Amino acid sequence: KQEVTQIPAALSVPEGENLVLNCSFTDSAIYNLQWFRQDPGKGLTSLLLIQSSQREQTSGRLNASLDKSSGRSTLYIAASQPGDSATYLCAVTGTASKLTFGTGTRLQVTL
Amino acid sequence: EAGVTQFPSHSVIEKGQTVTLRCDPISGHDNLYWYRRVMGKEIKFLLHFVKESKQDESGMPNNRFLAERTGGTYSTLKVQPAELEDSGVYFCASSHRGGVAFFGQGTRLTVV
Repeated sequence: KQEVTQIPAALSVPEGENLVLNCSFTDSAIYNLQWFRQDPGKGLTSLLLIQSSQREQTSGRLNASLDKSSGRSTLYIAASQPGDSATYLCAVTGTASKLTFGTGTRLQVTL
Repeated sequence: EAGVTQFPSHSVIEKGQTVTLRCDPISGHDNLYWYRRVMGKEIKFLLHFVKESKQDESGMPNNRFLAERTGGTYSTLKVQPAELEDSGVYFCASSHRGGVAFFGQGTRLTVV
């Protein structure tokens, strides 16, 4: 059974700092890995999708890496801004095509 | 292009009542998923439709939950009778085959 863990559970950083969010999964037989953002009372917004054959994906100030063999992914956010404050969720897709989510990292970027 | 739409956004019902949640996926998306997040826990898979067929319903908690997708368009998730532990946020998502899943804003269900 796939399990996804995210560390830390919560993080507070001052504006402008670079930061890394971590995600680990127990079963390396994944189809892809996605990072989502969730704002309070809102749905999930997909930030980055990494296929199992890829090592990383970049979008603006975000960079996600994937090490499938070790069951790890990181989300790097450069030059953080208050608007980045949200909960970040990692999810993996197995062969059954359903997503298995981690519990998320709640990020607060302070002025 | 309209995104995934869920209705209602919030629902408060008494224990023992029935509630029906609705999801309108993105037009043309064959895959439709239901997920839910109960307090303090991770988002968990409930079931997956491909068009009108249930592809995987392994996450449905018990037989008080019934999902349908008549005609392969919108989907409903009925909880009957509702229990306190059913409280949470119910998300719907849709996708093209093998593509990114787009999520709705969720329905917050509170059973009192």
